[in-house]
Amino acid sequence: AQKITQTQPGMFVQEKEAVTLDCTYDTSDQSYGLFWYKQPSSGEMIFLIYQGSYDEQNATEGRYSLNFQKARKSANLVISASQLGDSAMYFCAMRVVGDQGAQKLVFGQGTRLTINP
Amino acid sequence: DTEVTQTPKHLVMGMTNKKSLKCEQHMGHRAMYWYKQKAKKPPELMFVYSYEKLSINESVPSRFSPECPNSSLLNLHLHALQPEDSALYLCASRPVGNPQETQYFGPGTRLLVL
Repeated sequence: AQKITQTQPGMFVQEKEAVTLDCTYDTSDQSYGLFWYKQPSSGEMIFLIYQGSYDEQNATEGRYSLNFQKARKSANLVISASQLGDSAMYFCAMRVVGDQGAQKLVFGQGTRLTINP
Repeated sequence: DTEVTQTPKHLVMGMTNKKSLKCEQHMGHRAMYWYKQKAKKPPELMFVYSYEKLSINESVPSRFSPECPNSSLLNLHLHALQPEDSALYLCASRPVGNPQETQYFGPGTRLLVL
């Protein structure tokens, strides 16, 4: 069964520092996709970045980049130059195909990131 | 329009009440999702609709009844809920056919069952 593991329940970082949020995954599928979402206290899940299993380069989106190490089954999120507004819950998720071909996401337990001024 | 809307934002209901949560999107997405999220936990998938047909029911109790009346609208009908059903209910949608495409989430409905 597919599984996502996020081992950091909480992280505290100084503003303007870079931060790495860990994510490891387990799957026997050859084709899979990994997503990172940010969830502020308001509740909305905000998509940050996507990495496909066949993508040869690490994904980047502005200040967000993904350190994808396929052999280690890890997909860590790197946030450069952190800002106070980055304080939120961060979820790593993997795309899986459910019954009748419908796609669904398997989420990790999340990491609570707090940026200190 | 790249938005998923959910109403109401907050809902308080008694255990004998009947209420409905509404989710709407106009992005032409043909897959729609309901999630339940307890505090400090990840979202738990409840239902998936694909082309307006229920394709996944994650063994959700029958007191939750989903409905997809058209390709833009998704409802969740609530009846005889328990206090432990208090949670944030998230709706999401995504286009069918592109596996790289993310799910787009709405802001959620915070439900309190008394």
